[in-house]
Amino acid sequence: LAKTTQPISMDSYEGQEVNITCSHNNIATNDYITWYQQFPSQGPRFIIQGYKTKVTNEVASLFIPADRKSSTLSLPRVSLSDTAVYYCLVGDIGTGGSYIPTFGRGTSLIVHP
Amino acid sequence: DAGVIQSPRHEVTEMGQEVTLRCKPISGHDYLFWYRQTMMRGLELLIYFNNNVPIDDSGMPEDRFSAKMPNASFSTLKIQPSEPRDSAVYFCASSFRDTNTGELFFGEGSRLTVL
Repeated sequence: LAKTTQPISMDSYEGQEVNITCSHNNIATNDYITWYQQFPSQGPRFIIQGYKTKVTNEVASLFIPADRKSSTLSLPRVSLSDTAVYYCLVGDIGTGGSYIPTFGRGTSLIVHP
Repeated sequence: DAGVIQSPRHEVTEMGQEVTLRCKPISGHDYLFWYRQTMMRGLELLIYFNNNVPIDDSGMPEDRFSAKMPNASFSTLKIQPSEPRDSAVYFCASSFRDTNTGELFFGEGSRLTVL
């Protein structure tokens, strides 16, 4: 059973706000929600992390409802350089009970001029 | 800080050859992760270390894969013998906090092609 579900792809235009929603129905009580961005030929890069309610930094905002079964990454006024794959992470439990940061398939965002 | 450093950036080898990928984590980070990325399977965690000790290797595909971390500043991922299906981009990442809340810092990856 997948830990997270995101849209496979999204399209937007420069200057628009983009909201990417991730479903994580089986999130555990102590799980944090983390978002990463990946450009072609690069490793993923941390964007934002939250546990509940709203978190904002200089790059994005993260909205988490009270039931924490989903989260929404909000990118204000996107530019062409925001074209990338965006991953939502919650953890998984591996062998021996260790906590594993698990990436889903991500959302490919394409920003058009 | 130079960030996570991986080598080689690109490797082309023939089936059956041994491949060794290298990683230098960010100084002071005590978690190190090896991921593999392919179009078919996305980003998969292979193994991770805490304080040089392997914590979870359930993602290591099979016995052909092995990883070591002899000290806090160096790790290797070895494939012996390599097969065409091992072709992928291998990423190393490090973190200084626990795996739930810690931000992962990724290297630029090693692109492996096995012919």
